[in-house]
Amino acid sequence: EPEVTQTPSHQVTQMGQEVILRCVPISNHLYFYWYRQILGQKVEFLVSFYNNEISEKSEIFDDQFSVERPDGSNFTLKIRSTKLEDSAMYFCASSGGTWTYEQYFGPGTRLTVT
Amino acid sequence: KNEVEQSPQNLTAQEGEFITINCSYSVGISALHWLQQHPGGGIVSLFMLSSGKKKHGRLIATINIQEKHSSLHITASHPRDSAVYICAAPPGGATNKLIFGTGTLLAVQP
Repeated sequence: EPEVTQTPSHQVTQMGQEVILRCVPISNHLYFYWYRQILGQKVEFLVSFYNNEISEKSEIFDDQFSVERPDGSNFTLKIRSTKLEDSAMYFCASSGGTWTYEQYFGPGTRLTVT
Repeated sequence: KNEVEQSPQNLTAQEGEFITINCSYSVGISALHWLQQHPGGGIVSLFMLSSGKKKHGRLIATINIQEKHSSLHITASHPRDSAVYICAAPPGGATNKLIFGTGTLLAVQP
């Protein structure tokens, strides 16, 4: 069964450093998402991406964040200058269509900022 | 803006028990998702439903669109069902994003 994959599974970085989290969505999916979950809190939406551009973003997704689909398979989330409060689990998801389509989640990347 | 509420927040059951987790939401939606999160953190989609009932193995999900309520049932629960169960729904309007509930931590004891 096709699945969403994410790398790395765990990333430790120092405050102020740039990190890139990588995702490979399901190959025929068209909509891509990043969510995050701070330890002990709800999962929250960061950004959605369709047709090579951001379709929606949350208030969390400020200028420090960017997303890119550099080739036909990868979907990346970049944090330019990490802060302690960026420590969280980051989930990538993809779907074949809009809100009536199921979203498939990757296993997550645990980001620890020290 | 859609508020998604789950109950209970924590649930402990004995192996074999029938389990029900509830989810209510505040605005009309087209579909609701039930997800499972294991201690390692990964999220697995269990169901997406827009009406009626869906069944997969020992899991059953129901939704009542008029009452803005959904339930997830687990029949003949097993310790391997121990996980966090999360419902998620779109916030209403033309958006694909999901709003997540706080999750229900289920522990099934042998």
